[in-house]
Amino acid sequence: DIQMTQSPSSLSASVGDRVTITCRASQGISNYLAWFQQKPGKAPRSLIYAASRLQSGVPSRFSGSGSGRDFTLTISSLQPEDFATYYCQHYAAYPYTFGQGTKVEIK
Amino acid sequence: QVQLVQSGAEVKKPGASVKVSCKASGYSFISYYMHWVRQAPGQGLEWMGTIYPSAAATTYAQNFQGRLAVTSDTSTSTGYMELTGLTSDDTAVYYCATLGGAFDYWGQGTLVTVSS
Repeated sequence: DIQMTQSPSSLSASVGDRVTITCRASQGISNYLAWFQQKPGKAPRSLIYAASRLQSGVPSRFSGSGSGRDFTLTISSLQPEDFATYYCQHYAAYPYTFGQGTKVEIK
Repeated sequence: QVQLVQSGAEVKKPGASVKVSCKASGYSFISYYMHWVRQAPGQGLEWMGTIYPSAAATTYAQNFQGRLAVTSDTSTSTGYMELTGLTSDDTAVYYCATLGGAFDYWGQGTLVTVSS
């Protein structure tokens, strides 16, 4: 199975900050990588697919990059509604696996 | 618009089985995989398995082999996830989702509580 390792597991940031979350795959997955945002009590919401493609309706302050094993989710200017937990997930092969999550908290 | 509407919360005793449904609308049900993902309280997301409805082809995570059955009814555009031999470790919110690529939609989640 392909393991996904996210870092950090949590971070504190202020509104307006630039935030970067990284995700490393245990083997190459090309660009078969998605990023999700989840708020308490809600289903995950897709932000990014194919490593860097923005889902329809997602604000442009979110961006993704990377290929192969190393990937990054960047929020260019953190907004109050962005405080949530973020997960990466590969879909290169079965079983799909998720990173352990990164909780973004208010500083 | 695309919607995945799941069945309601369940409370089960250890050793029992649970079957959760997911009714799809707003898209061609047979053309997209339906995946099942679960989330234990305070924990991360765990992919369980998937079905391609037009072929009824399934793939399961090794963790659930022998206990999990994912099925679909193309006449009603509904997917099902049945988990047997429940233990307290199976207490979680279970989600159906299309997953993968630009077409990514999730159900609202179904809480399954396993308790004696």
